[in-house]
Amino acid sequence: DTAVSQTPKYLVTQMGNDKSIKCEQNLGHDTMYWYKQDSKKFLKIMFSYNNKELIINETVPNRFSPKSPDKAHLNLHINSLELGDSAVYFCASSQGMTSNYGYTFGSGTRLTVV
Amino acid sequence: KQEVTQIPAALSVPEGENLVLNCSFTDSAIYNLQWFRQDPGKGLTSLLLIQSSQREQTSGRLNASLDKSSGRSTLYIAASQPGDSATYLCAPLNQAGTALIFGKGTTLSVSS
Repeated sequence: DTAVSQTPKYLVTQMGNDKSIKCEQNLGHDTMYWYKQDSKKFLKIMFSYNNKELIINETVPNRFSPKSPDKAHLNLHINSLELGDSAVYFCASSQGMTSNYGYTFGSGTRLTVV
Repeated sequence: KQEVTQIPAALSVPEGENLVLNCSFTDSAIYNLQWFRQDPGKGLTSLLLIQSSQREQTSGRLNASLDKSSGRSTLYIAASQPGDSATYLCAPLNQAGTALIFGKGTTLSVSS
């Protein structure tokens, strides 16, 4: 059983389109995150949710909107996609904000905007 | 704002060598620090988690140490193998901000 699963694994789309990436965790964690890994492989936090409540919202364009329907799911919707949005997006989860047992990451979604 | 630096950025060694990867961070007020490895085109695999009250953690050939007061952590890999080739990432969890902040990683290549 995959602990943190993301779909799709690959996403190729045209500029201006709207797309969503889904994330589900079966670890019973109450906190979930979205990270972006750019072309230089640098990982940067985008959002975090604790018990479905938005906790961290870094400087991310308004075109990115996370949605957490329940503690096990955190989806990322992106409007009006731009070339610069091309990156690998990672979902992660932890138990509690202090994460005594560490973060668990999904395998990533490679988004390519053409 | 937490900044994480990993040195060296890249490292190439022959099989069997012992090696040390360094991580430094600017804000010592952390809950814990986690080391990950990332294989090309893959996700992140957690290697070790050190709580702020701990000095080191060991898992097999890996040993991670933490000196919170000086803002440093090291990952020691004993008897390196070609399968250890990957990018190693260090990530402290701040008490303020409450999300892992990553360094840019050390890319390790172990040749047989």
